[in-house]
Amino acid sequence: KAGVTQTPRYLIKTRGQQVTLSCSPISGHRSVSWYQQTPGQGLQFLFEYFSETQRNKGNFPGRFSGRQFSNSRSEMNVSTLELGDSALYLCASRVSGGRNEQFFGPGTRLTVL
Amino acid sequence: QKEVEQDPGPLSVPEGAIVSLNCTYSNSAFQYFMWYRQYSRKGPELLMYTYSSGNKEDGRFTAQVDKSSKYISLFIRDSQPSDSATYLCAMSAGSGGSNYKLTFGKGTLLTVNP
Repeated sequence: KAGVTQTPRYLIKTRGQQVTLSCSPISGHRSVSWYQQTPGQGLQFLFEYFSETQRNKGNFPGRFSGRQFSNSRSEMNVSTLELGDSALYLCASRVSGGRNEQFFGPGTRLTVL
Repeated sequence: QKEVEQDPGPLSVPEGAIVSLNCTYSNSAFQYFMWYRQYSRKGPELLMYTYSSGNKEDGRFTAQVDKSSKYISLFIRDSQPSDSATYLCAMSAGSGGSNYKLTFGKGTLLTVNP
């Protein structure tokens, strides 16, 4: 079974621009979560989507948004990029139900100049 | 106080050593506990998943959870150079619509020397 895939793997943007990242979960997984990883803050939860609905949101500004499609694929968008948004953005998928094993993709490394 | 505390290391051991990695937490609602391994410039890989207090073994890896002390551990036996990576503990409150988010420790950088 293929794992979680994320595109693109690397992105370089300038301040003020916006960016869209994509995630395809493991086949059969209906929940997708996004995390930001930085050297200073570690891994931090951004939001979770299940059946095209945002179920939980972390403590990030409104510039960070996401959505999920009917095939469970998800996108996240960051508008008005700031230097501090430079990070590894990770997507994780989970099969629905009570278990909480989350499987991560390779991430998208975003650099904001 | 951070919800999850993990010694960042770095930790350097000789090949074949037993490695002990630990995390403490403050949120008594946490019920699901995971250990991830992350190689440089890769995504985290799920190693161990536990729900209850006690031990769980998988090959050279043993995960231990002590909910009364709010303390979890990962033991690696017969460590190999290929185990060199950052190890992250993660936990969540449990089932229910808003409780699946993972709270991570900062990670411990482990180097196993041949």
